[in-house]
Amino acid sequence: NAGVTQTPKFRVLKTGQSMTLLCAQDMNHEYMYWYRQDPGMGLRLIHYSVGEGTTAKGEVPDGYNVSRLKKQNFLLGLESAAPSQTSVYFCASSSWDISNQPQHFGDGTRLSIL
Amino acid sequence: SQKIEQNSEALNIQEGKTATLTCNYTNYSPAYLQWYRQDPGRGPVFLLLIRENEKEKRKERLKVTFDTTLKQSLFHITASQPADSATYLCALPSGTGANNLFFGTGTRLTVIP
Repeated sequence: NAGVTQTPKFRVLKTGQSMTLLCAQDMNHEYMYWYRQDPGMGLRLIHYSVGEGTTAKGEVPDGYNVSRLKKQNFLLGLESAAPSQTSVYFCASSSWDISNQPQHFGDGTRLSIL
Repeated sequence: SQKIEQNSEALNIQEGKTATLTCNYTNYSPAYLQWYRQDPGRGPVFLLLIRENEKEKRKERLKVTFDTTLKQSLFHITASQPADSATYLCALPSGTGANNLFFGTGTRLTVIP
């Protein structure tokens, strides 16, 4: 039982390049989330999904797109990377009833935009 | 929107002492509050959840209290050990749907042997 797996773990991009971060969970969770974590800012929600085929904007969605084609996968895309998107990105998942279940996090993708 | 303040960025204590971390929030009172632990280079790991109608919750050496009047939660680690050194995050429901959480910036705890 791997939980939440994020790939890649590290990546360096040049400004303007694009890339996709992959999140996979094996807990059959309905809800999935993408966060970014910056020093002094805490975790901020980028996008989330309440189920296969659905996505919604979080607190800081600009510059990112997401897709949830399969229940177990949640993809985060950067179409044209900017230095301000240098951050650590975390994916999480949870069951539909958060009052009884926590969010489960992956170990993050460290992304640097030069 | 909800705002969370965790008492300090860093807290150093001697091994064996009790560590107390504070989480203060503004605006609406949440139905529950969660605490997570985050080690360097790792994702947050859930520790405890406390609901608004619960005054206190315990798990082994961990204790969480929730005071809706003061809009505050206290997180205690008794008989602290160097292995308890980590960043501790509190989180509240953000009210934006899908059980979304709003996280504090965390308190980095160092337990000195």
